[in-house]
Amino acid sequence: GAVVSQHPSWVICKSGTSVKIECRSLDFQATTMFWYRQFPKQSLMLMATSNEGSKATYEQGVEKDKFLINHASLTLSTLTVTSAHPEDSSFYICSARRAADTQYFGPGTRLTVL
Amino acid sequence: EDQVTQSPEALRLQEGESSSLNCSYTVSGLRGLFWYRQDPGKGPEFLFTLYSAGEEKEKERLKATLTKKESFLHITAPKPEDSATYLCAVQANRDDKIIFGKGTRLHILP
Repeated sequence: GAVVSQHPSWVICKSGTSVKIECRSLDFQATTMFWYRQFPKQSLMLMATSNEGSKATYEQGVEKDKFLINHASLTLSTLTVTSAHPEDSSFYICSARRAADTQYFGPGTRLTVL
Repeated sequence: EDQVTQSPEALRLQEGESSSLNCSYTVSGLRGLFWYRQDPGKGPEFLFTLYSAGEEKEKERLKATLTKKESFLHITAPKPEDSATYLCAVQANRDDKIIFGKGTRLHILP
């Protein structure tokens, strides 16, 4: 149990376009989901905490108008990178919290902005 | 400020050579300490959650232990398929979020 999926697994887009990434908890309900980004050979950096039915809480330095997060149901959260630029190229990973404290992670989405 | 420091940054072992990875932490009220395994280009895979000093958990060749200041991930008789980056993270009582260390890149040579 505790499977989290992400779609797409990779995406290449042109500068200025928007990209949506989906995160789903497949076999459990998650009231809280998290979005991270990870640069090569670095650890995960939390971008935002997403609670079902309410606005996301963004970490300091993360632009909420650029990284739009929607947590519409107990099994789905989406991250939209608006007007993407090459510096937004990264590995984006979501996680979902099942019971108590443990977070289960998705497989990640590799975003490349040309 | 809550902080997680992992050592060593990288470790190369021969197959069958046991060792330990260290995770030192400072946190105001520990809710939980987590170990994850991450393979290149993939998301972290959950291994263990530890909640209180003295607690130990095992899974196959891995055993995680916890004290008030640090956690160890012991790997016994490792195999090449154990090669990965091992991440340690902590969660404070007051927080939803977890804070990750930079990880230890483990490479097991056949």
